[in-house]
Amino acid sequence: DAKTTQPNSMESNEEEPVHLPCNHSTISGTDYIHWYRQLPSQGPEYVIHGLTSNVNNRMASLAIAEDRKSSTLILHRATLRDAAVYYCILSWDSGGSNYKLTFGKGTLLTVNP
Amino acid sequence: NAGVMQNPRHLVRRRGQEARLRCSPMKGHSHVYWYRQLPEEGLKFMVYLQKENIIDESGMPKERFSAEFPKEGPSILRIQQVVRGDSAAYFCASSPKDRGRNYGYTFGSGTRLTVV
Repeated sequence: DAKTTQPNSMESNEEEPVHLPCNHSTISGTDYIHWYRQLPSQGPEYVIHGLTSNVNNRMASLAIAEDRKSSTLILHRATLRDAAVYYCILSWDSGGSNYKLTFGKGTLLTVNP
Repeated sequence: NAGVMQNPRHLVRRRGQEARLRCSPMKGHSHVYWYRQLPEEGLKFMVYLQKENIIDESGMPKERFSAEFPKEGPSILRIQQVVRGDSAAYFCASSPKDRGRNYGYTFGSGTRLTVV
């Protein structure tokens, strides 16, 4: 499985943008880039995913490098409720067998008031 | 529109007892996945089930662990003769048929098992 690399932790101030990086230099052509987050004492929550183009939804934006070897999750205005561990996951599409999501250590985001 | 429901939220068992963890998928979801999160580690896939079928149990420990998803009722993860190393958070996720592929999975809040 292709692996991802994320910083262990990041810090942000409330109402400021946050850019969470992820490196995935061994990504294959069919790998989708997924982001999940896990709030304290909760299960993972889907945030966003993309393949090649940048993506936006109500929670965040995903910027994917042209060579797809890295991506950045963008929270436009961080709130205290965004404090969580953020996981960048590659999900390969091969006969529908991509349910085995591989969660690494993720990035612990701290949001300061 | 209830999400994935797991119970109990917290479960304490003595060594050697049995633990039963329940997961009710979201309405309309027929696929269930169990993950385990050991302390200070990421989530690890355990088993994938559809109604009355185990599709992939490659992540399940060979002994003491079993899972089922009956035609009626919740999915059950059963751990027999628990040991301290089984202490972890167990999460269940669900998806509708084929929607999980390249789309997000919906996770429950987990069951935190403590073995004393």
